[in-house]
Amino acid sequence: DAGVIQSPRHEVTEMGQEVTLRCKPISGHNSLFWYRQTMMRGLELLIYFNNNVPIDDSGMPEDRFSAKMPNASFSTLKIQPSEPRDSAVYFCASSLDSANYGYTFGSGTRLTVV
Amino acid sequence: DQQVKQNSPSLSVQEGRISILNCDYTNSMFDYFLWYKKYPAEGPTFLISISSIKDKNEDGRFTVFLNKSAKHLSLHIVPSQPGDSAVYFCAARSHRDDKIIFGKGTRLHILP
Repeated sequence: DAGVIQSPRHEVTEMGQEVTLRCKPISGHNSLFWYRQTMMRGLELLIYFNNNVPIDDSGMPEDRFSAKMPNASFSTLKIQPSEPRDSAVYFCASSLDSANYGYTFGSGTRLTVV
Repeated sequence: DQQVKQNSPSLSVQEGRISILNCDYTNSMFDYFLWYKKYPAEGPTFLISISSIKDKNEDGRFTVFLNKSAKHLSLHIVPSQPGDSAVYFCAARSHRDDKIIFGKGTRLHILP
């Protein structure tokens, strides 16, 4: 099992550009979560999906952020337009079902917006 | 509004001694608590958990204690080893939904 796979590992972009982060969850897991890690706020939950359906997006900071899960094996987090304050490490995690409390995290995407 | 609080950003402990990491929570609906460990350039990995029906759970060198009345939990590592140097996240969830809420983390340094 390859685990949760995120791409790219690092992304540097200019302010105003569109950024797309990608995640492949563990096969068979039906819940997927996007988190953002910053020094000030720690690990924040942005949005989570269950069976490809967005359940709670209350953590998405603003309309510039959007997330999709077109199928069980792929999700994207898009920022358009990007701003320097979006610089952070973005993690994707998946879990088997709602009764499985342990998430498996990917290695993260370090985003730098200059 | 932080529902899970780790008030110590960092902690240094001598190798071989006990490390105690603390966590407080505010949401009384939380009924399951977890600790995750994170090394640089890696994602957090699950370490140990405890249900609200228990007050202690032990796994090798790691023990988590839960005090529901105080809304406080702690992670004890004994004896501490150099490989324990990492960031530790306290996390919690309620039975109402799937999401896990994390604290800001505590960076643990194990000194030789």
